[in-house]
Amino acid sequence: ETGVTQTPRHLVMGMTNKKSLKCEQHLGHNAMYWYKQSAKKPLELMFVYSLEERVENNSVPSRFSPECPNSSHLFLHLHTLQPEDSALYLCASSQDPPSGGLGAKNIQYFGAGTRLSVL
Amino acid sequence: QKEVEQNSGPLSVPEGAIASLNCTYSDRGSQSFFWYRQYSGKSPELIMFIYSNGDKEDGRFTAQLNKASQYVSLLIRDSQPSDSATYLCAVNSRDDKIIFGKGTRLHILP
Repeated sequence: ETGVTQTPRHLVMGMTNKKSLKCEQHLGHNAMYWYKQSAKKPLELMFVYSLEERVENNSVPSRFSPECPNSSHLFLHLHTLQPEDSALYLCASSQDPPSGGLGAKNIQYFGAGTRLSVL
Repeated sequence: QKEVEQNSGPLSVPEGAIASLNCTYSDRGSQSFFWYRQYSGKSPELIMFIYSNGDKEDGRFTAQLNKASQYVSLLIRDSQPSDSATYLCAVNSRDDKIIFGKGTRLHILP
């Protein structure tokens, strides 16, 4: 148990559905992240939030919409997804957001992930 | 485009031997380096982080950093079947980005 909880663990949705992924961290961290992990590809950073403010959006299509209502909760709202969006979606948190410094406060703790299948 | 390169493997190592995993990075200004282990179907978990040139040891794991050559490696001594996993290298770049490599699949042969 890393202190980062994701729900649901598995999700199957049609291309016209709207669903949301939820992430909650119990570590008192200030930064939260959404990653996409597809087979044979590196982890792709999607969004970074620092103290509820979005600090990074890596050219993610608008069909993915993040929401961070407070520093402990992060959502990823999904709408009109494509089959190629099927992947493992991982949430992570760290004490501080990425910085050019020496990194101990940038260690990321990952949730178990949501396995998403888009039909 | 800043990159982190790893050999995808699989790397097969006999039980009890030393497993050596390598990672190279392109941003010379990178300061912090992380090794994560990811079991199949699970999320990544931190094994080691290092930011000074040289070696850092933690139990059976040793991280080695050479900033001049821009590589970081992870050595696993006395390899166990439970070490079989994918190992991800991650780098904190100078412009506040964290970049992951594709990972190296390690298989410890009983």
